[in-house]
Amino acid sequence: QSVLTQPPSVSGAPGQRVTISCTGGSSNIEAAYDVHWYQQLPGTAPKLLIYGNNNRPSGVPDRFSGSKSGTSASLAITALQAEDEADYYCQSYDSSLSASVFGGGTKLTVL
Amino acid sequence: EVQLLESGGGLVQPGGSLRLSCAASGFTFNTYAMTWVRQAPGKGLEWLSAITGSGGSTYYADSVKGRFTVSRDNSKYTLYLQMNSLRPEDTAVYYCAKLRFSNYVGANWFDPWGQGTLVTVSS
Repeated sequence: QSVLTQPPSVSGAPGQRVTISCTGGSSNIEAAYDVHWYQQLPGTAPKLLIYGNNNRPSGVPDRFSGSKSGTSASLAITALQAEDEADYYCQSYDSSLSASVFGGGTKLTVL
Repeated sequence: EVQLLESGGGLVQPGGSLRLSCAASGFTFNTYAMTWVRQAPGKGLEWLSAITGSGGSTYYADSVKGRFTVSRDNSKYTLYLQMNSLRPEDTAVYYCAKLRFSNYVGANWFDPWGQGTLVTVSS
């Protein structure tokens, strides 16, 4: 059971927009700790996609965006492409655990 | 270019020990905290441990506290994870990653990650 809750899977057709939610609680997201997102393509290591809730590292397309409000954060992907098919993870910090925490991951399928 | 390369994984019997290494290059190693994360087969990511840039402070997930020890040799640009009393549920790919800051603070994110090293605990 992950501290941060993500939907196990989402899907969308090429060109569509999808969102992935990440729900936490009073000791992590609601406590104003930043949320970060990672993309893990099949058979590879995770890669930073969004940091500090809504910032893209250099090289990440602007089709990817992040937001945060209250106890939740979201990752939005617009103009979906086949190469976006991957697992996506949110990450934050939990003050009650004194530990970094991940969501359980969401598998994105491009139909 | 920042690069991280893990090594030391392999097959070990339950109750055994293993030491993982993470060789870093492309940045001033002692100015950044580092972390270990693992991923069991077909499962999600699990944060394990972190160490400050100076090596003076270490942090652990409850699942490995007392069994795993993180350390670093800043002169060798290398991060380590000593794993003792290994259990079958420790079977996973182990990743090292660089943190954004020198201290382990809540704002930290993990970038980049190494390619991972597989640890299999089985008799």
